[in-house]
Amino acid sequence: GIQVEQSPPDLILQEGANSTLRCNFSDSVNNLQWFHQNPWGQLINLFYIPSGTKQNGRLSATTVATERYSLLYISSSQTTDSGVYFCAVEWRSSGDKLTFGTGTRLAVRP
Amino acid sequence: DAGVIQSPRHEVTEMGQEVTLRCKPISGHNSLFWYRQTMMRGLELLIYFNNNVPIDDSGMPEDRFSAKMPNASFSTLKIQPSEPRDSAVYFCASSNRVWVTNEKLFFGSGTQLSVL
Repeated sequence: GIQVEQSPPDLILQEGANSTLRCNFSDSVNNLQWFHQNPWGQLINLFYIPSGTKQNGRLSATTVATERYSLLYISSSQTTDSGVYFCAVEWRSSGDKLTFGTGTRLAVRP
Repeated sequence: DAGVIQSPRHEVTEMGQEVTLRCKPISGHNSLFWYRQTMMRGLELLIYFNNNVPIDDSGMPEDRFSAKMPNASFSTLKIQPSEPRDSAVYFCASSNRVWVTNEKLFFGSGTQLSVL
């Protein structure tokens, strides 16, 4: 079936380190978004990025739609970056629904 | 803008009782989604509305679940009768659908439901 796979599943960083999170998807997409779920459970939209590269402060994201993957870069990590990062895709074949990956759980140590 | 507003934030109820969750989407958004999050199943889409019309309810677990969107600024998700396995965090989200895709999706704070 159609799948959204995220790696790594878990990541521990020392404050100040950089990291790359990956999202692989198995079919063509109309839409790809990255979300951060903080330790209090809030889901925050980070990027709407069906293709190309975007940057927002210490975060940036790149989607290569033809190769079916997206990357989220976190530079100079801070403890407030802790939480779970999800990518979500809207498949061309299935219409409007955003399907979420299983997430990468990030812990940033002071 | 106040963002997507959900109520209540927490709901504790006994098995067999009716539960109603409420959502006010961001003004101007034409798409509304109900998601459920559990440790076992992650984030699951339950139902999706566009212009107040249910488009896809294939994620609704069973007939005990129903959702309505009587107007562009209000939606409800009802569980009747509730069961312990319905315990989860229920999120409402909204976005603006343009042509063939949805733009950025914004989530409410969620309702933590516990069915005893």
